[in-house]
Amino acid sequence: SYELTQPSSVSVSPGQTARITCSGDVLAKTYARWFQQKPGQAPVMMIYKDSERPSGIPERISGSSSGTTVTLTISGAQVDDEADYYCYSATDNNVLFGGGTRLTVL
Amino acid sequence: EVQLVESGGGLVQPGGSLKLSCAASGFTFSGSAMHWVRQASGKGLEWVGRIRSKTHNYATGYAASVKGRITLSRDDSKNTAYLQMNSLKTEDTAVYYCFSGDYWGRGTLVTVSS
Repeated sequence: SYELTQPSSVSVSPGQTARITCSGDVLAKTYARWFQQKPGQAPVMMIYKDSERPSGIPERISGSSSGTTVTLTISGAQVDDEADYYCYSATDNNVLFGGGTRLTVL
Repeated sequence: EVQLVESGGGLVQPGGSLKLSCAASGFTFSGSAMHWVRQASGKGLEWVGRIRSKTHNYATGYAASVKGRITLSRDDSKNTAYLQMNSLKTEDTAVYYCFSGDYWGRGTLVTVSS
């Protein structure tokens, strides 16, 4: 199926590890990216090619992939990490965003 | 520094038309596919469409929700992408972002209302 499925919300305490999953058949064939969006702001890329970090993204942010699921991991979560997170994939014929996951750190 | 700056949003009546622009700088615009993504208030990101580069014959693709009502174009000499929207509906009300695959503009608000 050509859709990406994310949990609607994830909640952790400060300092804990947050994991956000994204599932879809297309992920077995193409890379995923992760974007963070804070209220009133444009999204910002956090991960590309499943696990690569753009410059400026801290090492405590990581990505991984297994089969049809990709996972964004935020180690030592901080209050500033509270945001919506979206996975994304693009092929020649399909461009998809996941539904988004609201991360709460409290 | 990469910059994407959208313009052209505003208030339009149902059934009306609007053309959005996205001015790009700081990267090789001509070699990049350009996407448009929208976000209704309180909702998630919705991919609207993509126009690929000259290398890929400026191929376009559109989401089913807007197909037939929007047209994407680009002017590589101006580093600018365009989104022409026709037959606008109230459900098209959203912030419209241009997106290079890596970078995002800050968005422009389109409100469809009578």
